[in-house]
Order: sequence, then C-alpha cells, then structure tokens
Amino acid sequence: DTAVSQTPKYLVTQMGNDKSIKCEQNLGHDTMYWYKQDSKKFLKIMFSYNNKELIINETVPNRFSPKSPDKAHLNLHINSLELGDSAVYFCASSQDYRVRRGYTFGSGTRLTVV
Amino acid sequence: DQQVKQNSPSLSVQEGRISILNCDYTNSMFDYFLWYKKYPAEGPTFLISISSIKDKNEDGRFTVFLNKSAKHLSLHIVPSQPGDSAVYFCAASAPKAAVNKLTFGGGTRVLVKP
Repeated sequence: DTAVSQTPKYLVTQMGNDKSIKCEQNLGHDTMYWYKQDSKKFLKIMFSYNNKELIINETVPNRFSPKSPDKAHLNLHINSLELGDSAVYFCASSQDYRVRRGYTFGSGTRLTVV
Repeated sequence: DQQVKQNSPSLSVQEGRISILNCDYTNSMFDYFLWYKKYPAEGPTFLISISSIKDKNEDGRFTVFLNKSAKHLSLHIVPSQPGDSAVYFCAASAPKAAVNKLTFGGGTRVLVKP
C-alpha cells in the first residue's frame, strides 16, 4: 500500500497543452509539497499545503496552480505547457509543517513537453 | 544561488569499503540536515538526519558528521554494499523558515562495485 502515490508516472504532451498531476498520501500527514527536479538534478520546492491551506508558494510561473481538496490530496495543474517545464515532479508529505522532520516522497512524475 | 552543494557528482567504491559523501552549505541559518537516497524511477527516501546541536549521528552502517564552523557535513557508509548504489541527496532546513522547507543539493551518484 503506497504511502505517497502520484499519477501519472509518465506524461508526454505537446507545448501549449494543459495537464494535471495528482498526488495522494495515506500517512495521515497534514502537510504536502510539490518539488521539481530539473535537468541539473536539483530538487526545488514549488508549493506546500498544510491541511488544505497554501503555506509555501515559491517563485513559480502562475501557469502552475496547486489544488488541495483535502489534506490527503495535492494536485498540480499546469497551463500552457512549455518545453522548459519538462522535468520530474515529486510530491511529498510530512507530519506537520512545524515539525522538523524528513518528508516521504512519491515516486515522481516525469513530464516531457514536446 | 545554490545554498546546498554536493561537489562530487559521482563516487565509485569497492564493496566492503567505506563510502564518504560530502555536502557543503552556505546559509548559516541551516540547523537541521538530512540525507536522502534515491533509486532510479523512485522517489527519494529518508536515510539519516542530524541537528546542529550534535556533530555526529549514527544509524547502523550510516554515520553523518557535521562541522558547523566549516559549514560541511559528510555521510559515511561502512561497509558499502551493492544495494547502496544510488543517488544520495543532502538537504537542509532553517528554523526561522517556520515551515519545514528542505533545500536540497544536486546529489552524488554512488556505485558500489562487487
């Protein structure tokens, strides 16, 4: 039973399209995150939600919009996809954003924009 | 502006020997550090952490050392096993961020040869 699951695992799409990535965690954690791993392999935070409230919103193009319908789900919608959006996107969760602990990551979604 | 740096992109070691992975940081506010391990097509998994009140933390074959004055930490794996072949990420967080936000290094790929 996967703790943090992301769908889809792979996504190939054309420039200009709109796509969504879904994430669900069954750990009972309150906080969820989206990280982007770029071509240089750095993992950079994009967003974080705590119990459906946005708490981290890094400098990310407004074509990216997260949505958290409940604390177990955090989805990422991307409008007007560009070539530079190609990356691996990781969802993660942690017990509480105020608690200094590691995250539990999902297995990632490899997005390729052609 | 990479606040967490792993200057060795790769490391090759013989099975049974010690693997030493290094990580440097520039933000003096960082006070909590973690190491993650990542296999291909999987998400990073938490390995070991250390708080700045300590200079060493050990968990089985894994030991993390922290040198605050040098803003440097290292991960020692003894003895190295073929299953340790993976990419290792160093991460850090700062207390005043008020949010459990992790800043990652670019990773070091470890290959353990049988």
